[in-house]
Amino acid sequence: NAGVTQTPKFRVLKTGQSMTLLCAQDMNHEYMYWYRQDPGMGLRLIHYSVGEGTTAKGEVPDGYNVSRLKKQNFLLGLESAAPSQTSVYFCASSTGTGSSEQYFGPGTRLTVT
Amino acid sequence: AQSVAQPEDQVNVAEGNPLTVKCTYSVSGNPYLFWYVQYPNRGLQFLLKYITGDNLVKGSYGFEAEFNKSQTSFHLKKPSALVSDSALYFCAVRDGSSYKLIFGSGTRLLVRP
Repeated sequence: NAGVTQTPKFRVLKTGQSMTLLCAQDMNHEYMYWYRQDPGMGLRLIHYSVGEGTTAKGEVPDGYNVSRLKKQNFLLGLESAAPSQTSVYFCASSTGTGSSEQYFGPGTRLTVT
Repeated sequence: AQSVAQPEDQVNVAEGNPLTVKCTYSVSGNPYLFWYVQYPNRGLQFLLKYITGDNLVKGSYGFEAEFNKSQTSFHLKKPSALVSDSALYFCAVRDGSSYKLIFGSGTRLLVRP
């Protein structure tokens, strides 16, 4: 049981390049989330999904797109990377809302130059 | 609107002494409250949560948290700190059935030998 995994672990992009971050979970969770973590700002929700084939915007969705074609996978795309997107990205999953806790992946450190 | 405040950027404590990491929150309905810990270069790990009932919640690694409705606080505590407890701690709140988990900015705990 690997929990939540993320690939890649590190990436350096040039401004304007695109990339996709992959998140996978093996806990059969319905809900999946993408966050970014910046110093002194905690975690901010980018996009989330309440089930296969559904996605929705979080607090800071601009510049990102997501897809959830399979229940176990949640992809985060950057179409044209900007230096402001330099951050650590975390994926999480949970059984639902309310009292259910979220399980986090190890993170992807992205630098945009 | 939901919000979480962690008023201390850093807490310093000597090994063996009790520790407290503070958290206050604001929600419009009944809160679900969570504590997570983040070790360097790792994802967030769930420590404990408050749903309802007993105001003192026990969690992993000997941590506990006290829910105080009148003060809208959910402070994290441990009777005897270990050097290995040194990490970044996040408080989070969810309002009722909302999908959204709001994180505080984090408190760095430094336990000195």
